[in-house]
Amino acid sequence: GESVGLHLPTLSVQEGDNSIINCAYSNSASDYFIWYKQESGKGPQFIIDIRSNMDKRQGQRVTVLLNKTVKHLSLQIAATQPGDSAVYFCAENPHGKIIFGKGTRLHILP
Amino acid sequence: DGGITQSPKYLFRKEGQNVTLSCEQNLNHDAMYWYRQDPGQGLRLIYYSQIVNDFQKGDIAEGYSVSREKKESFPLTVTSAQKNPTAFYLCASSIDRNTEAFFGQGTRLTVV
Repeated sequence: GESVGLHLPTLSVQEGDNSIINCAYSNSASDYFIWYKQESGKGPQFIIDIRSNMDKRQGQRVTVLLNKTVKHLSLQIAATQPGDSAVYFCAENPHGKIIFGKGTRLHILP
Repeated sequence: DGGITQSPKYLFRKEGQNVTLSCEQNLNHDAMYWYRQDPGQGLRLIYYSQIVNDFQKGDIAEGYSVSREKKESFPLTVTSAQKNPTAFYLCASSIDRNTEAFFGQGTRLTVV
């Protein structure tokens, strides 16, 4: 069906290390993908997006990779900081709607 | 300030009562969305609207209704037909279907 899934529900990373959060999507009609960060009790915040005509996009400390062959997205966070602790969602846009995956909780170890 | 506003932040209702959640945006966005989030879960799409006076059902529309009479407003009514209405409700808007959505801060609805 139209869904976006995640490989790991929780990811623990040492402060200062790089984090990699993975996402599998299933809808071939999706041509736009977004990563969001959600802190407890708040609405999701946009981090970075990528369109299907690209395979990599970089932002400040974040990089999104898109592999259309295997329908896989990843979010890389460089030099993870305590403020990065949150739930991260990937989302896709099949047929004009935005569909979210279940999320990965990123836990930062001191 | 430009943004998307949901009100109220917390809402309590008795079982069997309909309740309407407000969502207003002054970003001049065409598209608006309603999501439901249960504890420890992702966001599930209830309804979405790509343009004023038009809206479509999402994945879990049963027990909910919406209207889009004005571009800036997309209220969600949780009806008594919704079997498990207690949840965190999030509204979002985007310029169009192919741009990122911006979210409000959510309304936490508790039905007792």
